[in-house]
Amino acid sequence: QVQLVESGGGVVQPGGSLRLSCAASGFSFSAYAMHWVRQAPGKGLEWVAHIRYDGNNRYYADSVEGRFTISRDNSKDTVYLQMTSLRADDSAVYYCARDGDTYGLDYWGQGTLVTVSS
Amino acid sequence: AIQLTQSPSSMSASVGDRVTFTCRASQVVSSALAWYQQRPGKPPKLLIHGASSLQSGVPSRFSGSGSGTEYTLTISGLQPEDFATYYCQHLNDYPHTFGQGTILEVK
Repeated sequence: QVQLVESGGGVVQPGGSLRLSCAASGFSFSAYAMHWVRQAPGKGLEWVAHIRYDGNNRYYADSVEGRFTISRDNSKDTVYLQMTSLRADDSAVYYCARDGDTYGLDYWGQGTLVTVSS
Repeated sequence: AIQLTQSPSSMSASVGDRVTFTCRASQVVSSALAWYQQRPGKPPKLLIHGASSLQSGVPSRFSGSGSGTEYTLTISGLQPEDFATYYCQHLNDYPHTFGQGTILEVK
C-alpha cells in the first residue's frame, strides 16, 4: 500500500534552517510529482511546493520562494524540503503528498511538526 | 495567483441531511479542482478530483460538480463520520492554492 512518512521536524530558532524528508513506499515513486503542504496550528491548508516526477520542474508558494527548496532522490524514493531563513509564521505541520496526476493530491503523509521559536 | 473562496465558512447539519458547499475561484480553473476532507489531527483525504470524479474508496454520497469559476461539493445523506472540515484546491496553475475551508458541525 502507498505510504508517505515525513521526518525532520522539530524546534528551530528564527533565521535557522531545517530539512524535511518524506520517504515513499508502495508505488513507483519516480513516476509521480510530489508536493509539500503545510498547516499552521488551528489554521487552514497552505500549498508550499511541487516537484515534477523527474525533478526538473519545481514551483513554490510566494511565501516561501527563495527560502525553501524542494528536491527529490528517486534512487531513495524520497522527497525533501530544505527550509532556510525560518520565521515564526513558518511554524506548522508539514505534509508531503503525492500528485495523483488527475487534478488531486491522492495520498498524504501524517505530517511533521516544525516550530520556529526562540 | 488564483484565489479560492469557500462558502459557507461553517455550517450545522444533522445526520441524514443533504449539504452543499461552494468554492468560487477568482479565475477560470478549467475543472482542475479537488475537494478534501480533514478530521482533527489527521491529514487531508482526497474526495473529489478533476471537479467531479469520485476518488477510489470514497462513498458515493459525496459528489462534485461545477465548471469555470464555481464548484460545489454535495454530501447526500450525512453520516456521523462526515462532520469535519472540507477544503477545495485548484491545480490549474501555480500556486495550487486552497480555499479557507468549510467546517461542518453537528446541529
